[in-house]
Amino acid sequence: ETGVTQTPRHLVMGMTNKKSLKCEQHLGHNAMYWYKQSAKKPLELMFVYNFKEQTENNSVPSRFSPECPNSSHLFLHLHTLQPEDSALYLCASSQDVSGSNEKLFFGSGTQLSVL
Amino acid sequence: AQSVTQPDIHITVSEGASLELRCNYSYGATPYLFWYVQSPGQGLQLLLKYFSGDTLVQGIKGFEAEFKRSQSSFNLRKPSVHWSDAAEYFCAVGAGSGGATNKLIFGTGTLLAVQP
Repeated sequence: ETGVTQTPRHLVMGMTNKKSLKCEQHLGHNAMYWYKQSAKKPLELMFVYNFKEQTENNSVPSRFSPECPNSSHLFLHLHTLQPEDSALYLCASSQDVSGSNEKLFFGSGTQLSVL
Repeated sequence: AQSVTQPDIHITVSEGASLELRCNYSYGATPYLFWYVQSPGQGLQLLLKYFSGDTLVQGIKGFEAEFKRSQSSFNLRKPSVHWSDAAEYFCAVGAGSGGATNKLIFGTGTLLAVQP
């Protein structure tokens, strides 16, 4: 148990559906992240929030919409996804985004399948 | 551009044997280097990190890694592998200032299988 909880663990959705992924951290961290993990590809950073403010958006398509209502919760809202969006979506947190003592704590991920 | 290469996609070792997982990086300045492990159905967990100083870094679960600037490498080693070490291992370089966590670049991972 890393202190980062993601729900649901698995999600199957059609291309016209709207769904949301949820991430919650119980570590008192200030920074939260969304990563996309696809087979045979490096982990891709999608979004970073620090103190509830979005600080990174790595050219993610607008069909992915993040929301960070407070430092403990992070959502990823999904709509009109494509089959190539099928992947494991990982949430992570850290105390802050900078500094040599930082490390990421990851959740177990949501395995998303888009039909 | 910064990048991380893990040349071995899949490795199989016998339990009790030694292990070395390769990682090469491309980064212009002094790198901040990390190894993460992902067990099946789990997120990534930090094994060890190198920021400066001693080039041989000790991590959790009996792992160590050695930074070799001349070879741009940061290989992960373990003298005796246990069945519970079967997992996927990711090398990463911190491309931001001070190894900032929002600038990590990951490799594609090496999947380790352990034979009894």
